[in-house]
Amino acid sequence: AQSVTQLGSHVSVSEGALVLLRCNYSSSVPPYLFWYVQYPNQGLQLLLKYTTGATLVKGINGFEAEFKKSETSFHLTKPSAHMSDAAEYFCAVTSINDMRFGAGTRLTVKP
Amino acid sequence: DAGVIQSPRHEVTEMGQEVTLRCKPISGHNSLFWYRQTMMRGLELLIYFNNNVPIDDSGMPEDRFSAKMPNASFSTLKIQPSEPRDSAVYFCASSLRTANTGELFFGEGSRLTVL
Repeated sequence: AQSVTQLGSHVSVSEGALVLLRCNYSSSVPPYLFWYVQYPNQGLQLLLKYTTGATLVKGINGFEAEFKKSETSFHLTKPSAHMSDAAEYFCAVTSINDMRFGAGTRLTVKP
Repeated sequence: DAGVIQSPRHEVTEMGQEVTLRCKPISGHNSLFWYRQTMMRGLELLIYFNNNVPIDDSGMPEDRFSAKMPNASFSTLKIQPSEPRDSAVYFCASSLRTANTGELFFGEGSRLTVL
C-alpha cells in the first residue's frame, strides 16, 4: 500500500527565507506524487504534481519539488517565503483506487 | 466552471439526528471522493466513486455512514444517527480520471458539529 510521511507538523520561517517542507513516500509501484495547499476555511488546492518525466517539478506561487527515487522523497521548496504562503501543506501519493494524504505541515511565515 | 460545490457549509446538530451532506462535482469529472478532516486524524478517505459506482468504501467508519451517487452530478453523504465524534470537516473532491492519474479538485468543505 502507498503512504506518505511528512516530517514536521509545523515549520516556521522568516519572510524571504527558504521554505523546505519534507515528504517521504512508500510505494510498491512507480508513484504519482502531489503537493496540495490548504488556506484557512478552504478546501485543498493543487500546488504541483509529479507523474513521469522530469524529476524537478514547478508549481504555482513559486514552489517546486524534486522527485528522488533513491531517497523516496518529494520535498517541497520555495526560495523566498512570502507572508501569503502561510497555510497547511499536504503531500499525497496515489494508489490504484485512491489518493492518500500525509498528516500535513503547517507553515508559519514571520515578518 | 463553478468548481466542486458542497452544501451546507456549516451544520450544527444534536446527537442522534440525521445529517445529510451534499456535493456537486465538476461537470465532466468521472470520479468523486469523500474525505473527512479532523485535527486528530488528518485527512481520511471515506469513499470513492468512479462513474457513479462506489469503488472503495473501506474508509467509511461504520454503518451509521452511507454515501450515494445517483447520477454524475450529485452525491450525498449521510450520517444516521450522528454522534459528537462525527464532528469534522467533510470534503468532497472530484477528478477527471481515476485517482492514480489525475489531480483532485476539492470543494470548500462542510463543517459539521454534533452536540
